[in-house]
Amino acid sequence: AQTVTQSQPEMSVQEAETVTLSCTYDTSENNYYLFWYKQPPSRQMILVIRQEAYKQQNATENRFSVNFQKAAKSFSLKISDSQLGDTAMYFCAFERIRTGNTPLVFGKGTRLSVIA
Amino acid sequence: DARVTQTPRHKVTEMGQEVTMRCQPILGHNTVFWYRQTMMQGLELLAYFRNRAPLDDSGMPKDRFSAEMPDATLATLKIQPSEPRDSAVYFCASGYRGYPYEQYFGPGTRLTVT
Repeated sequence: AQTVTQSQPEMSVQEAETVTLSCTYDTSENNYYLFWYKQPPSRQMILVIRQEAYKQQNATENRFSVNFQKAAKSFSLKISDSQLGDTAMYFCAFERIRTGNTPLVFGKGTRLSVIA
Repeated sequence: DARVTQTPRHKVTEMGQEVTMRCQPILGHNTVFWYRQTMMQGLELLAYFRNRAPLDDSGMPKDRFSAEMPDATLATLKIQPSEPRDSAVYFCASGYRGYPYEQYFGPGTRLTVT
């Protein structure tokens, strides 16, 4: 069974600064996907970034980037130039690779507050 | 802009009543998931379907929960009878059969059982 751990229940960052959210996972799979989802107060789950485990290059999406360390089973999210709209819960998630989607396994989440 | 839709968005009911939540996946998506979000347990899988066939419902309390896909455009989650501990946000998500295997989430149904 897969597990995902987010060790930081809450974090805060000043507007325009950089913040890093941590995530570790445990699996015996060799190929899988990792995701960061954002959940603002509206409750909508929004995909922030995706990383395929077979890709060595870290994924980036505008101000969001990841540090993927496969051997250490670590998958952190860096948010640069933080904006007030980044205030939300952030969930790290794991998905096994099969033919078609498989269920996501989520961490407990990190509540991020961006302060003006 | 294709989206997963869920109804109702909010539901308040009394203990013992039947609750039905509906989900319309994105057209062409062949996999549908039901997740539940609570403060204590976080986000957890209840059940999922591929091509309308149930693949895993081990996360559901079988005595009171049931999930079905009457057709490719509708997934339902029923609770009968409902209990206060069922209060949670219920998300439906759908996925496409090919790369990149992304799951698209609906807005969720917030259920309160009093």
